[in-house]
Parts: sequence; C-alpha cells; structure tokens
Amino acid sequence: AQSVAQPEDQVNVAEGNPLTVKCTYSVSGNPYLFWYVQYPNRGLQFLLKYITGDNLVKGSYGFEAEFNKSQTSFHLKKPSALVSDSALYFCAVRAATGGGNKLTFGTGTQLKVEL
Amino acid sequence: GAGVSQTPSNKVTEKGKYVELRCDPISGHTALYWYRQSLGQGPEFLIYFQGTGAADDSGLPNDRFFAVRPEGSVSTLKIQRTERGDSAMYLCASSSTPGLAGKYTQYFGPGTRLTVL
Repeated sequence: AQSVAQPEDQVNVAEGNPLTVKCTYSVSGNPYLFWYVQYPNRGLQFLLKYITGDNLVKGSYGFEAEFNKSQTSFHLKKPSALVSDSALYFCAVRAATGGGNKLTFGTGTQLKVEL
Repeated sequence: GAGVSQTPSNKVTEKGKYVELRCDPISGHTALYWYRQSLGQGPEFLIYFQGTGAADDSGLPNDRFFAVRPEGSVSTLKIQRTERGDSAMYLCASSSTPGLAGKYTQYFGPGTRLTVL
C-alpha cells in the first residue's frame, strides 16, 4: 500500500520569507512524487513532479521540491513567499512500477502568506 | 479549451436518486481517472481508464458506483441510489499516452460538487 503524510494542517509565513511544506511518503519500490495546489472550490493544479534524476525539481510559480530517498520525503519549498501563494497544497505519490497509475494524496496543508 | 472539463459544476439531488457526472479529458489523452474529495480530505482514487477499458476500478466504494468511457474520450461516472455520504467533490483527471513526455502527470478538471439531500 502507498501513503502520504503531510504533518502540518496549516503553515503560516510572512510575505517575502521562505516557505516549506512538508511531505513524507511510503511506497513499494521507487516513487513518483507530485505536488498540486488547490484554490477554493477549484480542481487541482499541477505544480511539479519527481520521476527520476536530479533530486531537486523546479516547478511552476517559483516552487521547488527536494526528493530525499533516505528520509522518504519530498518537501515543497519557495525562497520568497507571496500572498497569492495562499492556498491548499497536496502531495501525492504513486509507485514507479507495479502499483498501477493511481495517485495517493495526503490530507493537504493550508498555506497562509501574510503581509 | 485545452484543459479537462467537467459537467455539471454543481449537482444537488435527493437521497435515492440516480446521477451522472461527465468528464471531457484533454484532447489526445488516453488515460482518464476519477477521484472523490470529501471536505477537508485529499482526493481518493476511484477508477482509471486506459482507452475504453477500466484498467483499475479498485477504488469504487460499492456497486452503486459505475463509470464508462465508450469511445475512449468522454467518461461518465454514474451513481445509483445516492446516499448522503456520497456528497463530495468528484474530480476527473487525464494523462497522455504512455511513452510520451509528461505521461505521468495527471491534469485535473474543476470538479463536480455533488450534494445529496
């Protein structure tokens, strides 16, 4: 079985400060990892993914994430937060092989960026 | 319209009624997924189509739920004898053909919010 943990229900940061949203995962074999963002009453918008290769992946809107295999983590980061980054963020995982194509999501982390 | 579209955006029905939710994937995407998102939760997988066939329906909660994709494009999620517990946001996603770049990324539609009274 595959699973994702997002330990923080909410993260508050001041605009201009760096932000980190945490994610750890469990999956059989190698993982494919994803971050999505959701605005109120909207669907999920893809931010970035790790499939293979460089552990640091860069995505949309200045976001990046670092894959750490030993810690089974895939934390989302941004060097300088904007008020417009305030939204609900979901981490998701699927197995690279054998687990089918379905994504397993965490419960989400609400990011609030304040002036 | 390059994205995944879903209709209706909102559906209110009464307990015991039958509902159909429609998903129109990104043109050319062969894989299509349905997820259900309850309030305060992450999306949960329901079913995955590769072409016209359901490759994985392990997430369907019971036999009241059924989905089809007869021509390998548009999909319909059907719920019979709806219950109040079926109230949720139903999300559809699609991804491109295996072997193409970006094949692993699932692109989501705006969702259908189902309310069962």
